[in-house]
Amino acid sequence: SAVISQKPSRDICQRGTSLTIQCQVDSQVTMMFWYRQQPGQSLTLIATANQGSEATYESGFVIDKFPISRPNLTFSTLTVSNMSPEDSSIYLCSVDRLVGSNEQFFGPGTRLTVL
Amino acid sequence: RKEVEQDPGPFNVPEGATVAFNCTYSNSASQSFFWYRQDCRKEPKLLMSVYSSGNEDGRFTAQLNRASQYISLLIRDSKLSDSATYLCVVTPASGGSYIPTFGRGTSLIVHP
Repeated sequence: SAVISQKPSRDICQRGTSLTIQCQVDSQVTMMFWYRQQPGQSLTLIATANQGSEATYESGFVIDKFPISRPNLTFSTLTVSNMSPEDSSIYLCSVDRLVGSNEQFFGPGTRLTVL
Repeated sequence: RKEVEQDPGPFNVPEGATVAFNCTYSNSASQSFFWYRQDCRKEPKLLMSVYSSGNEDGRFTAQLNRASQYISLLIRDSKLSDSATYLCVVTPASGGSYIPTFGRGTSLIVHP
């Protein structure tokens, strides 16, 4: 199983600022995913972070708001830009357990509160 | 109709009870099915994959009904530690892309 860490684990931010969340995996993985889980809701896929190319964003999410970096096969960052209270959520990164298995390991999540 | 629907519960059952959850999905071309468990303030963790022939892992049994487009999770002899939210996940087959869809989860509370 993959070991995934995220930083920060939680943060409280002011409206209009930006926060960058880091995701580190202990092994090389092809695909990394970023999800959002708003209070009382299920997980929503934000984007797939591809190494060496731009991230692939899902409907309703744009690069200007959620820029993603993937500099290598073990690391990715998600930035939540120009935050508003509606961005308060848990942000999770995940990886496939095995290539093509569609089974995912999740990081511990970053709990973000925007005031 | 939502792509993946679950009864949010909560299901409140005594220890030792048998409890079952269903999850319906709308995309008939869906390819892979999973149950995840999410404890309060924790990340989701894979509980089990759901195979066409059904599968069992100890007290947990998962089944897939493609004709009616639902999957189920049966928990026998419930333990206090089974209290959690159970998420249904469906992965559609869409030109080879992989876009998992999560249900909102079913909350289970097992009491003494």
